[in-house]
Amino acid sequence: GNSVTQMEGPVTLSEEAFLTINCTYTATGYPSLFWYVQYPGEGLQLLLKATKADDKGSNKGFEATYRKETTSFHLEKGSVQVSDSAVYFCALRSGANSKLTFGKGITLSVRP
Amino acid sequence: DTAVSQTPKYLVTQMGNDKSIKCEQNLGHDTMYWYKQDSKKFLKIMFSYNNKELIINETVPNRFSPKSPDKAHLNLHINSLELGDSAVYFCASSPAGTGETQYFGPGTRLLVL
Repeated sequence: GNSVTQMEGPVTLSEEAFLTINCTYTATGYPSLFWYVQYPGEGLQLLLKATKADDKGSNKGFEATYRKETTSFHLEKGSVQVSDSAVYFCALRSGANSKLTFGKGITLSVRP
Repeated sequence: DTAVSQTPKYLVTQMGNDKSIKCEQNLGHDTMYWYKQDSKKFLKIMFSYNNKELIINETVPNRFSPKSPDKAHLNLHINSLELGDSAVYFCASSPAGTGETQYFGPGTRLLVL
C-alpha cells in the first residue's frame, strides 16, 4: 500500500534560517505528491505539488522536487519567517478518485 | 465565498449522543472526502464519495455513517459517541484526477465528554 514518511519533529528555527523538511514515500503506480500546510486553528491549505518525476513545485518561497530515484519530495525554503510557523504535511495521491495518504506532519516554529 | 464549508465549527457533547456534521462545497467538484485528525495531528481518510456514490470506506466503526444528498454535500452522522471520537474532522473536495488538488474545509472540532 501507499505510505509517506516525514522526518520527526518538532523543528524550531530562527528567522531567516534555511529550512529542509524530509519526506519519502512508497506507492504503487505513478503518484502525485503534495505539501499541505496547516496554520494554527485552521484547515489544510495546499502549499505546492508535483505530478510527475523531476517536476518542481514552488510557492511562497518554498520548493520541493519530485525525485523518483530516491522516492523523495523534500521541502525547502531559503529564509523562513515567523509567519511560516505551522504544521507541514507531505502527502501522495495515486489514482483518479483516490484518497490522500498523509505523513504524520511536522510542526515548525520560527523564532523572531 | 467559502469554497468548502463545514458546520458546526465546534461541537461539545456527551458520550452516547448522536450528532451530525455538515459539509458543502461550491467548487463543482465530483468527489468529496471526510478525514479525521487526532490529537497528534495525524490525518486519516474515513470516507470518499464520487457523484453521490461511496467509493472509499476505510476501517471506520459503523457508528459513523456518511450521507451525500447531492454532489455538493457530504454529511457525517455519528451515533453513540465515544470519548475516542474526540478529534478534528475535515471535509475536502476535489475534481477527479490523481494530480488534482484536494480543497479542505476549516474543520469541525468535536469534543466528547
